[in-house]
Amino acid sequence: EAQVTQNPRYLITVTGKKLTVTCSQNMNHEYMSWYRQDPGLGLRQIYYSMNVEVTDKGDVPEGYKVSRKEKRNFPLILESPSPNQTSLYFCASSPWGGDYEQYFGPGTRLTVT
Amino acid sequence: QKEVEQNSGPLSVPEGAIASLNCTYSDRGSQSFFWYRQYSGKSPELIMSIYSNGDKEDGRFTAQLNKASQYVSLLIRDSQPSDSATYLCAVSRGSYIPTFGRGTSLIVHP
Repeated sequence: EAQVTQNPRYLITVTGKKLTVTCSQNMNHEYMSWYRQDPGLGLRQIYYSMNVEVTDKGDVPEGYKVSRKEKRNFPLILESPSPNQTSLYFCASSPWGGDYEQYFGPGTRLTVT
Repeated sequence: QKEVEQNSGPLSVPEGAIASLNCTYSDRGSQSFFWYRQYSGKSPELIMSIYSNGDKEDGRFTAQLNKASQYVSLLIRDSQPSDSATYLCAVSRGSYIPTFGRGTSLIVHP
């Protein structure tokens, strides 16, 4: 089954404790991206990657890191999480880029206390 | 600042009616337009994409694009209770960073 997977689905952590949210897709897509979704603010892109070892900032990159060492994986790293990063996070992939349809993972609900 | 505006709703329509969802955008250079459906607690899923002016139909869904007026709309014919969800409009101009609207909540009541 073609899909985007994320882990964990739910995470509660404390301020400053480094965490990684994994994302993997099995559709051989070139483009992958991370979004956060907050009430009243909608979906905002954090980082995107056009290919292996090619990443770039989205609209809200502060406080996040990403890497793309393999085509299928695109982990999101919060090195020192803060409460304002409490949000619902989605990973997405696309065969050609952000200008085309994207396929979203199931989401990760992160709470930072 | 690229902006995509949607009425937050909720838009309430009776079962079997036509639901009309609208979206306006500020960037005249926008080239790609999408409608996603998001059920509560779930991830967005693509319903329609449209790239040129006019109408595009897919089953009960019709997307309409008017670049001169900078709006894109989604019509849902024969609305069903299962269509109750939040509908997200997304716009992109070739910058790899699509801009999403905040979504319109649709309620289809029996």
